[in-house]
Amino acid sequence: DTGVSQDPRHKITKRGQNVTFRCDPISEHNRLYWYRQTLGQGPEFLTYFQNEAQLEKSRLLSDRFSAERPKGSFSTLEIQRTEQGDSAMYLCASSPDRANYGYTFGSGTRLTVV
Amino acid sequence: GQQVMQIPQYQHVQEGEDFTTYCNSSTTLSNIQWYKQRPGGHPVFLIQLVKSGEVKKQKRLTFQFGEAKKNSSLHITATQTTDVGTYFCAGRNTNAGKSTFGDGTTLTVKP
Repeated sequence: DTGVSQDPRHKITKRGQNVTFRCDPISEHNRLYWYRQTLGQGPEFLTYFQNEAQLEKSRLLSDRFSAERPKGSFSTLEIQRTEQGDSAMYLCASSPDRANYGYTFGSGTRLTVV
Repeated sequence: GQQVMQIPQYQHVQEGEDFTTYCNSSTTLSNIQWYKQRPGGHPVFLIQLVKSGEVKKQKRLTFQFGEAKKNSSLHITATQTTDVGTYFCAGRNTNAGKSTFGDGTTLTVKP
């Protein structure tokens, strides 16, 4: 297992287009998290899965954002009708289903909306 | 909602000097984690603190969790150029679920 994988690494899209990102967590990790990071800021929480169940979603997220983890393995994050303010690094992280474990982050997908 | 604040935002040191970053939460935490992010990289987990007043060491790095479980610190002794990066704390209100990250302290080390 090579860690958390994210695809694509970079995405440039025109405003108004839809984009989808994929995350493959470490295989034995049941928990999966999506965060967003902009320059000079810490990662901002978006949503969290335990297996296939989406347990929490940030109130800051608009309805344009949706995430799935259909079989409890990989996850997708979709952004509809992208806006320039969506430009950021989208980070996926996973952790084991045990208390008090830190996250293993992927390398992220950098989204640029032009 | 929960807020996590870190100070200072930036720290420039001469190689060999010590470095400390402080983290404060607006709410009592279940645990706190520390991460390091190198320029152009992603956050890498360093450690998690769970108990009130806990102190943990990793070589030249010393991590502390406050008695009230609302603040934490990371101290690096005798910095090296390999220590450069941004150090984030992240607080959790429960044993599982989301962590709320601070905005980090960016450390630069002059050789």
